[in-house]
Amino acid sequence: KAGVTQTPRYLIKTRGQQVTLSCSPISGHRSVSWYQQTPGQGLQFLFEYFSETQRNKGNFPGRFSGRQFSNSRSEMNVSTLELGDSALYLCASSYYGQGISYEQYFGPGTRLTVT
Amino acid sequence: DQQVKQNSPSLSVQEGRISILNCDYTNSMFDYFLWYKKYPAEGPTFLISISSIKDKNEDGRFTVFLNKSAKHLSLHIVPSQPGDSAVYFCAARGKGTYKYIFGTGTRLKVLA
Repeated sequence: KAGVTQTPRYLIKTRGQQVTLSCSPISGHRSVSWYQQTPGQGLQFLFEYFSETQRNKGNFPGRFSGRQFSNSRSEMNVSTLELGDSALYLCASSYYGQGISYEQYFGPGTRLTVT
Repeated sequence: DQQVKQNSPSLSVQEGRISILNCDYTNSMFDYFLWYKKYPAEGPTFLISISSIKDKNEDGRFTVFLNKSAKHLSLHIVPSQPGDSAVYFCAARGKGTYKYIFGTGTRLKVLA
């Protein structure tokens, strides 16, 4: 099976702009989560989607949003970019069945730099 | 409020010896715990997990121990190999949620 893919891998944006990141989960995985990783902060949970519905949201401002499509692919959007949004954004997918969510498999991430 | 803590930012171990990585958590509602390994420029890779109904899970050289009374999780790697050098994250999931809380990571260096 192909792994989780994320595009683009690298992105440079200017303050005030917006950005959209894309994630394609492993085939058969319907749960997709997004994380922000910054030095010293570990992975901070952004949100999780399942069957096009957001089931959980982390403590991030409303500038961070996401969506999931019927084929389980997901996008996250950050509007009005700030310098502090520079980070590695990771997407993870997991299989969800019989009420149980299993371990997450991560993509390589998108490195966003805001200047 | 950091619910999952990895208090050692780094650890160095000689090749062939045991590596012990530790993780503490504060939320007694966590019911599933995982360890991930991360190399630079790659996403985290799942290593091993444990349910809160168990106190030990083993997979090859990797063993995870869970002490619920102490709210403590540890990962043992025996024997350690230079290829194990990476950043290790522990993560926990709240019962009935779909949200994983990660620690800040421990950088393991295995010396040849």
